[in-house]
Amino acid sequence: KAGVTQTPRYLIKTRGQQVTLSCSPISGHRSVSWYQQTPGQGLQFLFEYFSETQRNKGNFPGRFSGRQFSNSRSEMNVSTLELGDSALYLCASSLAVKTEAFFGQGTRLTVV
Amino acid sequence: AQRVTQPEKLLSVFKGAPVELKCNYSYSGSPELFWYVQYSRQRLQLLLRHISRESIKGFTADLNKGETSFHLKKPFAQEEDSAMYYCALRPAGSQGNLIFGKGTKLSVKP
Repeated sequence: KAGVTQTPRYLIKTRGQQVTLSCSPISGHRSVSWYQQTPGQGLQFLFEYFSETQRNKGNFPGRFSGRQFSNSRSEMNVSTLELGDSALYLCASSLAVKTEAFFGQGTRLTVV
Repeated sequence: AQRVTQPEKLLSVFKGAPVELKCNYSYSGSPELFWYVQYSRQRLQLLLRHISRESIKGFTADLNKGETSFHLKKPFAQEEDSAMYYCALRPAGSQGNLIFGKGTKLSVKP
């Protein structure tokens, strides 16, 4: 079956703009989590959704938001982009909240 | 604070040598511990979890609650083991988020 799909794979944005990243989970998976990966901070948890509800949120500013749709697809949005938002954004899906997480290949965001 | 520490950024061994990737955690409760691996140009994937107590690709990891460690071991390293290895902790409770260490790059030389 198809794995977790993230689109787009690469993105270049200018400071101050906003961006939306998309994640399609594995068919049947209802839980989606997002992580930010940077060389300095490593992998950091952003948010977790299950059945369209945000269940958990990491320590990121309010510029970072997300949502999950009824088909379990998820989007994350970053507003007023800053240079420090440049990172690889990873999405992971799982059948339920505490089951094995399967990761996508990520979206590489560069803010210039 | 909940934290996962992987003290080595890079670990280089020769093929056939034993390998141990260190992981220490800070957590007051009873967490779930995992090892994830990322091979070159591939996505992050689960290698093993402490609950299952299994051996995957020859790797094992034992949770030591007294030392708050979850070191990953393999008696004889292979070149195909070269990859980034991440130790992760999932807190007890209803949330499913993972707390990752910063990773150790394992390089197995021929």
